[in-house]
Amino acid sequence: DAGVTQSPTHLIKTRGQQVTLRCSPISGHKSVSWYQQVLGQGPQFIFQYYEKEERGRGNFPDRFSARQFPNYSSELNVNALLLGDSALYLCASSLRGGAGETQYFGPGTRLLVL
Amino acid sequence: GDSVTQMEGPVTLSEEAFLTINCTYTATGYPSLFWYVQYPGEGLQLLLKATKADDKGSNKGFEATYRKETTSFHLEKGSVQVSDSAVYFCALSDPSGGSNYKLTFGKGTLLTVNP
Repeated sequence: DAGVTQSPTHLIKTRGQQVTLRCSPISGHKSVSWYQQVLGQGPQFIFQYYEKEERGRGNFPDRFSARQFPNYSSELNVNALLLGDSALYLCASSLRGGAGETQYFGPGTRLLVL
Repeated sequence: GDSVTQMEGPVTLSEEAFLTINCTYTATGYPSLFWYVQYPGEGLQLLLKATKADDKGSNKGFEATYRKETTSFHLEKGSVQVSDSAVYFCALSDPSGGSNYKLTFGKGTLLTVNP
């Protein structure tokens, strides 16, 4: 079975632009989470979705938004990009996003904002 | 709020040496604990996990025991290999009164194993 897939793998944008990142979860998984990993740091939680509903949101500005589609894939949107948004964006999927469940990570999208 | 503290890296060892990476946590609820590994240029892979006190997670020769009394989940391996060189992240999942089982990560520990 395929793992979590993300696209694109790399992206270069300029300040003020908007970006959309995509994620396809493992087949059968209904929960998707997004994390931001700045170089040299651990991943920071951005959003979690389950059955197309937002279940949680991390400490990120409103410029960050996400959604989950009926096929459980997900998109993360970032508006008005800042230099500080440069990071590896990781998507993770799990069966239901419940207690003790393993979250399986994709390879990430590396975003560079110039 | 929840937090995870890992020992500062980088850690450099010779092949076949014993490895310990310390991890302690703070949580408002009763968390599940995880170790993830990140190889250069890749995403995170689950290494092992434990969901209740005194559980021992193990995989590929790595072990960690969930110690509630010391709020710790230290990673150990008896004999490391060059292929173990990577960044290791300790993480917890705690609902904290809500339904969001997000992962809270430590800052990561870079391990380099020399032949």
